[in-house]
Amino acid sequence: GAVVSQHPSWVICKSGTSVKIECRSLDFQATTMFWYRQFPKQSLMLMATSNEGSKATYEQGVEKDKFLINHASLTLSTLTVTSAHPEDSSFYICSARDEGRPGTGELFFGEGSRLTVL
Amino acid sequence: QKEVEQDPGPLSVPEGAIVSLNCTYSNSAFQYFMWYRQYSRKGPELLMYTYSSGNKEDGRFTAQVDKSSKYISLFIRDSQPSDSATYLCAMSATGGGNKLTFGTGTQLKVEL
Repeated sequence: GAVVSQHPSWVICKSGTSVKIECRSLDFQATTMFWYRQFPKQSLMLMATSNEGSKATYEQGVEKDKFLINHASLTLSTLTVTSAHPEDSSFYICSARDEGRPGTGELFFGEGSRLTVL
Repeated sequence: QKEVEQDPGPLSVPEGAIVSLNCTYSNSAFQYFMWYRQYSRKGPELLMYTYSSGNKEDGRFTAQVDKSSKYISLFIRDSQPSDSATYLCAMSATGGGNKLTFGTGTQLKVEL
């Protein structure tokens, strides 16, 4: 299957700082990528849809000024958590659809990035 | 009420057992149904993908969808310790991987 890579896989930061997480599709192009957040023992919650070359679409309740998304190329999307606070500590996972397989609905997920804000 | 309900477990079975995992949902617009496996501290991995009602088999895995009952299942035959993971159901009203709604996941442990 297609490979999606996330970096970093684990990050600890101080409260008030910003953290950038990268999501790359390694062997396919992705016009659209999705960012999810997962709290312990809870389901994945869609945060936003990242669109190459245009603004991201945020889900209700997700602050776009806090979670900045940039999708500068067909293989890279970044999520920046600005002025992070302890309540932002979570497991952030990106996913992408292989444009070469239209209509299948298959999403390929990255390994996830665990953010801990002290 | 959540759109997708899934028993979080944990579910513990002996090696070789048949495992049945289930999800119920309330949104009748869902037509695409998926099962993902997630190991601890890893991203989800797609196991099965089905459209509308019916069965789909892939090796030791069988997915069933009953849209009339809004109920989906994943069966694992001859379960192995390596199957120990959290299994997430996911569904969507539209194809193409858009707007997936996930269950909370069922934690499965297959013991020797």
